[in-house]
Amino acid sequence: GDSVTQMEGPVTLSEEAFLTINCTYTATGYPSLFWYVQYPGEGLQLLLKATKADDKGSNKGFEATYRKETTSFHLEKGSVQVSDSAVYFCALKGGSYIPTFGRGTSLIVHP
Amino acid sequence: NAGVTQTPKFRILKIGQSMTLQCTQDMNHNYMYWYRQDPGMGLKLIYYSVGAGITDKGEVPNGYNVSRSTTEDFPLRLELAAPSQTSVYFCASSRSSGGPQETQYFGPGTRLLVL
Repeated sequence: GDSVTQMEGPVTLSEEAFLTINCTYTATGYPSLFWYVQYPGEGLQLLLKATKADDKGSNKGFEATYRKETTSFHLEKGSVQVSDSAVYFCALKGGSYIPTFGRGTSLIVHP
Repeated sequence: NAGVTQTPKFRILKIGQSMTLQCTQDMNHNYMYWYRQDPGMGLKLIYYSVGAGITDKGEVPNGYNVSRSTTEDFPLRLELAAPSQTSVYFCASSRSSGGPQETQYFGPGTRLLVL
């Protein structure tokens, strides 16, 4: 079946550091890929998505590129802020319309 | 648009009690979902619905029941609460007509403690 593997956290960075959170997936066919963010005490919200190979999703300075050859969708940001501290979930959705989520990666950004 | 709303925000139950977690969406979405989130474990799908009158089990349905009598509402019922059901519960919805690229919209969650 479908699966998503994310790097384990927490990821701890200083403000203005470069961020990468790795995400790889296993799926049949051509799924859509998503990154969701969960701020403390809140529900998940969409950060960005990509629906086909080589697409790049971007939002709020975050980017991720759909790499079919490496089955990856790594999240990157050039300069993180304290306000980016949150839990980040990678997810995919294929033909079943039921999404598969990774376990989440906690990001802590220090001033 | 209020989006997806959930009530209550927090509840303490005694073992063996029952309760219903409410979920309502005002986006006319066909698909609705219930998840539980345990610390460090990501999201586990409990039940989902593809439209009014249609529900199906997810990964962890035992101890829960759902109904979907309207497009807007998707309540989750806990019968005979157990400590293992202590968790944060999220309701979500999405459009069905757009295909797999459709985004899920999440409610703010209900924190449940069973003692």
